[in-house]
Amino acid sequence: QQQVKQSPQSLIVQKGGISIINCAYENTAFDYFPWYQQFPGKGPALLIAIRPDVSEKKEGRFTISFNKSAKQFSLHIMDSQPGDSATYFCAASGNTDKLIFGTGTRLQVFP
Amino acid sequence: NAGVTQTPKFRVLKTGQSMTLLCAQDMNHEYMYWYRQDPGMGLRLIHYSVGEGTTAKGEVPDGYNVSRLKKQNFLLGLESAAPSQTSVYFCASSKVGLPEQETQYFGPGTRLLVL
Repeated sequence: QQQVKQSPQSLIVQKGGISIINCAYENTAFDYFPWYQQFPGKGPALLIAIRPDVSEKKEGRFTISFNKSAKQFSLHIMDSQPGDSATYFCAASGNTDKLIFGTGTRLQVFP
Repeated sequence: NAGVTQTPKFRVLKTGQSMTLLCAQDMNHEYMYWYRQDPGMGLRLIHYSVGEGTTAKGEVPDGYNVSRLKKQNFLLGLESAAPSQTSVYFCASSKVGLPEQETQYFGPGTRLLVL
């Protein structure tokens, strides 16, 4: 049972464009929502995270938007660059020691 | 600081063979995790540890065992490997557990092929 649904599976964006990746969850106990970035041959690394007390968090070109009532959160990458080409995973956690990951989105940014 | 290291980087096993994957961290972290990553499945938690001498089951623990005899090491064992265990295995560590946790630090991964 996939507790965190991520879409799209892959995304192609032109340099300078906006990349948007969406995640949805069912468990209302989830209260921590990180995004991890993974380059080929490397382990994932935390990119940005949000807790439900805010609806948006921005760090540089990366923004998380959070909609508690819809149980959805999304990652926006502004001014996408070829160096952003990677696989992105959303995740969620609540009241446990476990992070539940989405299935991943492979982003390719072309010059 | 080396961060999180994993040994070996790549291994080929025959069905029924056993092996141990080693994870080491030099950040004095309490929490350690083993995940497997499969295409289209994301990262799934196998086992984790909340401190030296402790282990707990994750989402997909069957066919795996773990031990945390030293704080800095977390071992993942496959007693009788099966082709379904072909995957990339990632170890991670964190200073504290959820929900206070800021991030998990991941190792570079071990690619395992079971024939």
